[in-house]
Amino acid sequence: AQSVSQHNHHVILSEAASLELGCNYSYGGTVNLFWYVQYPGQHLQLLLKYFSGDPLVKGIKGFEAEFIKSKFSFNLRKPSVQWSDTAEYFCAVNPNILTGGGNKLTFGTGTQLKVEL
Amino acid sequence: EAGVAQSPRYKIIEKRQSVAFWCNPISGHATLYWYQQILGQGPKLLIQFQNNGVVDDSQLPKDRFSAERLKGVDSTLKIQPAKLEDSAVYLCASSPVRGGRGLTDTQYFGPGTRLTVL
Repeated sequence: AQSVSQHNHHVILSEAASLELGCNYSYGGTVNLFWYVQYPGQHLQLLLKYFSGDPLVKGIKGFEAEFIKSKFSFNLRKPSVQWSDTAEYFCAVNPNILTGGGNKLTFGTGTQLKVEL
Repeated sequence: EAGVAQSPRYKIIEKRQSVAFWCNPISGHATLYWYQQILGQGPKLLIQFQNNGVVDDSQLPKDRFSAERLKGVDSTLKIQPAKLEDSAVYLCASSPVRGGRGLTDTQYFGPGTRLTVL
């Protein structure tokens, strides 16, 4: 079965610092990759997604992620974080396997990001 | 565009009681999902519907959990009887594709129902 690993469970940064959150998955076939964000008191929202094409994906609020197939990774980055980026971030993978029941997301355990003023 | 609606937002019950959650997906979305998110973990898929048919319920504890999606729109997830370990947030999501072979698209999540079992 596929799995998703997020290495950092809690990250604390100061405003304007750069951010990189790691995400690795275990699946050898074609995948679709997602980052979701959950702001305090709000529901899960899509940050960005990769389906195919350019492995560098840009999302909302200045976030980007790079798909490196050889490393099974999809790390999330932002050059300069803001206090409002405080949230929990989830990486998710859809293995896109050719069986019934496609579009089944497997989530990582999440990374809680706190940005301090 | 209205998002995924869920109710109730919070529920507290005692173990062995029953509980039901309701979800209304985004209009026109054929695929509906129920996830369980235990504190400190990522969401875990319980069941996936395509229209009113079950596509995947392999991780649904069928001895106590049941779900239905009559008429292919709203869905209800029930737990009977509840156990302490069922305390979690239950998320509903919908997506605009059929979830068939090789097809995939973004899932949109509702606010969730936070269940506490005492």
